[in-house]
Amino acid sequence: DVKVTQSSRYLVKRTGEKVFLECVQDMDHENMFWYRQDPGLGLRLIYFSYDVKMKEKGDIPEGYSVSREKKERFSLILESASTNQTSMYLCASSLSGTEQFFGPGTRLTVL
Amino acid sequence: EDQVTQSPEALRLQEGESSSLNCSYTVSGLRGLFWYRQDPGKGPEFLFTLYSAGEEKEKERLKATLTKKESFLHITAPKPEDSATYLCAVLSWGKLQFGAGTQVVVTP
Repeated sequence: DVKVTQSSRYLVKRTGEKVFLECVQDMDHENMFWYRQDPGLGLRLIYFSYDVKMKEKGDIPEGYSVSREKKERFSLILESASTNQTSMYLCASSLSGTEQFFGPGTRLTVL
Repeated sequence: EDQVTQSPEALRLQEGESSSLNCSYTVSGLRGLFWYRQDPGKGPEFLFTLYSAGEEKEKERLKATLTKKESFLHITAPKPEDSATYLCAVLSWGKLQFGAGTQVVVTP
């Protein structure tokens, strides 16, 4: 079974802090994705990556950056956290053209 | 612009009362349609992939079908453990576009 793990289930940070969310997958998938999920807005794509050191902007990249130094690891960085970044963050991985497998999510609260 | 619309937004069923969820889409370059189940506070769990009109997939009490414009998720004789939010998504140009989901509650 594909396993996608995320570094934290719950995280509380203060406005202005730099926040790192990490995601690791164990199935050698080339594609990795970061989403945020908010009530009424559904899942929205922040960034994705097709290969190591490659990244592409999704639909809502503002205020975020990503890093993919190794194939199995994809990090989401909030350079200066703001209250409107309070959300559930979901990481996913896939082979090209196939279903994405999701991690358990990180519920981030920014105070 | 690509769009994925799910209906209804919410569905309340009695145990054993079969029903269907709808996912309609307008996308260019469709490369697959996916159904997921999501429990509160958890990540979406993959259920089915459909690639071409006329295709059907089944898993326990769930059956997914696909036409050129929409997909249906049929829930046959649901049980309380089928309560969840069901999401559909279409793969277009390498990215998944998600619908807002249908929240299903099955009461004993």
